[in-house]
Amino acid sequence: SQKIEQNSEALNIQEGKTATLTCNYTNYSPAYLQWYRQDPGRGPVFLLLIRENEKEKRKERLKVTFDTTLKQSLFHITASQPADSATYLCALNTGGFKTIFGAGTRLFVKA
Amino acid sequence: NAGVMQNPRHLVRRRGQEARLRCSPMKGHSHVYWYRQLPEEGLKFMVYLQKENIIDESGMPKERFSAEFPKEGPSILRIQQVVRGDSAAYFCASSPPGGDEQYFGPGTRLTVT
Repeated sequence: SQKIEQNSEALNIQEGKTATLTCNYTNYSPAYLQWYRQDPGRGPVFLLLIRENEKEKRKERLKVTFDTTLKQSLFHITASQPADSATYLCALNTGGFKTIFGAGTRLFVKA
Repeated sequence: NAGVMQNPRHLVRRRGQEARLRCSPMKGHSHVYWYRQLPEEGLKFMVYLQKENIIDESGMPKERFSAEFPKEGPSILRIQQVVRGDSAAYFCASSPPGGDEQYFGPGTRLTVT
């Protein structure tokens, strides 16, 4: 069956360190993959999109990698800040109209 | 440019009543998605619409749920004869023509008593 897996355990890191979140998928061949941030009680906010022919994408302190052989995307936040504490969602689109979201990983950045 | 708007933000319905959730996409966006999110779970795709057309409703329950996006006015997600299991946060997202990223509204939290 088709699955997207994100670390269900929360990630706790110290301010200033790099946070790395993982998204693994099976039985998909996504045309692109997206990362969103969601704060409690609010809608997700789009962060980055990476296409199947791209290996890496950056935006300010954020970096996303996409390995279609491993079927994995890594999401990095460098120089993390307490304000980065949130749930981060991975989402796949296989070229059609449907977007499949992972359950998300909670990140806590301690000052 | 106003973001995606959803109303109401909170909706309480008794079992058997109807729930109507509204979504106004961002200006210039012609595509609307509806998702449902249960506590501690991910977003579940329900339906994708363009103006006056349902493009993909593969995530919609076959009974009691319907969606529309008329030529004028907001997109509506309608749930008839609500049951307790319909209690969830319902999010709407829009995307521009040719764009893949989605911009989400604040959600409507439906509680069925």
